[in-house]
Amino acid sequence: GAVVSQHPSRVICKSGTSVKIECRSLDFQATTMFWYRQFPKQSLMLMATSNEGSKATYEQGVEKDKFLINHASLTLSTLTVTSAHPEDSSFYICSARGGGGHSYEQYFGPGTRLTVT
Amino acid sequence: GQQVMQIPQYQHVQEGEDFTTYCNSSTTLSNIQWYKQRPGGHPVFLIQLVKSGEVKKQKRLTFQFGEAKKNSSLHITATQTTDVGTYFCAWGDGNKLVFGAGTILRVKS
Repeated sequence: GAVVSQHPSRVICKSGTSVKIECRSLDFQATTMFWYRQFPKQSLMLMATSNEGSKATYEQGVEKDKFLINHASLTLSTLTVTSAHPEDSSFYICSARGGGGHSYEQYFGPGTRLTVT
Repeated sequence: GQQVMQIPQYQHVQEGEDFTTYCNSSTTLSNIQWYKQRPGGHPVFLIQLVKSGEVKKQKRLTFQFGEAKKNSSLHITATQTTDVGTYFCAWGDGNKLVFGAGTILRVKS
């Protein structure tokens, strides 16, 4: 099946610094990638949708200047959390669509656990 | 706006017992998907239902989509310890997917 990787898997950073998370589709070209945020024992909340070569579409309440998304190629999307604060600590998961399976399937990366101290 | 509730929030069963999670929508859904997320892991796609009254089976898992396309369920027969995790329903909203709150399943051996 289609594989999506995420890097890093865990990151601890100090308040005020920026953190970049990479999401790669390893064996298929992802026409669309999605970024989610998940707090402990809660559901996945969609943050933004990104299409290769165009600006990301952010969900209501998500600050686009704080969560910078770049989808530079059909296999790579990055999420940069700028000027991170402790309340940004969360599990960030990307997903990609466009693999060899059904067009509606989303393939999820393993997630990145961000802790801001 | 559209509201979808997933229940129960949490269920703890004895190994061998059955388990069911439900998603109920206030409006008609065009489709519904089900995902499983193991503890510490990421969501894994299980199935998509599109047709009214559709029933699909995957081994011990049975998925149903209601006749009015407002309700869906995931039923696991004779649970095993490998079934532990959180089960999410999700539905398409344009280009994106919206997830239900999830049902956490714990299985006692």
